[in-house]
Amino acid sequence: SQQGEEDPQALSIQEGENATMNCSYKTSINNLQWYRQNSGRGLVHLILIRSNEREKHSGRLRVTLDTSKKSSSLLITASRAADTASYFCATGGRGDKIIFGKGTRLHILP
Amino acid sequence: EAQVTQNPRYLITVTGKKLTVTCSQNMNHEYMSWYRQDPGLGLRQIYYSMNVEVTDKGDVPEGYKVSRKEKRNFPLILESPSPNQTSLYFCASIGDTGELFFGEGSRLTVL
Repeated sequence: SQQGEEDPQALSIQEGENATMNCSYKTSINNLQWYRQNSGRGLVHLILIRSNEREKHSGRLRVTLDTSKKSSSLLITASRAADTASYFCATGGRGDKIIFGKGTRLHILP
Repeated sequence: EAQVTQNPRYLITVTGKKLTVTCSQNMNHEYMSWYRQDPGLGLRQIYYSMNVEVTDKGDVPEGYKVSRKEKRNFPLILESPSPNQTSLYFCASIGDTGELFFGEGSRLTVL
């Protein structure tokens, strides 16, 4: 069963623009995480936001969490070619099943 | 260096020939997990383990077995592989802060 669902499925933007991806989930959570995957490689952890947090920053990344709407967004500012990847949200954690969404494919155009 | 190591990275096999994908982590993590990734379906959890000798089914456990005899190792066993198990497989361990550390993946083709 899929807990997180990312939106859009694919996104193409010009280098330097901001990219926003959304994640919706169905049940209550303790935290939500975002991961990046370069083509065919292992996923890399980007950021974790706890259920009692509303916003979190890490470098050019900004994550928001709205537990009332069961949704989260990932904003990448000033995008670069190296940001081209797939991005996944995941819910669950230690002691729970961790469930990933299907991902958003982000393509940064030169 | 903290890492999760999977082997083999690539494997082509035939239907019914038993195979094992090994996974090892050097971070002393208790929780480990196996996922498969298929186009359009995202990552789906196969099995997970919360500690030595403690394993549980994920969402797609059929056709797979696992064991956790030591904390660092979590092998995935396909007793009788079938073509629908052709996929990209990832092993992961979970750290104290809740983040997953992934291996580089094992691409399996079953003919």
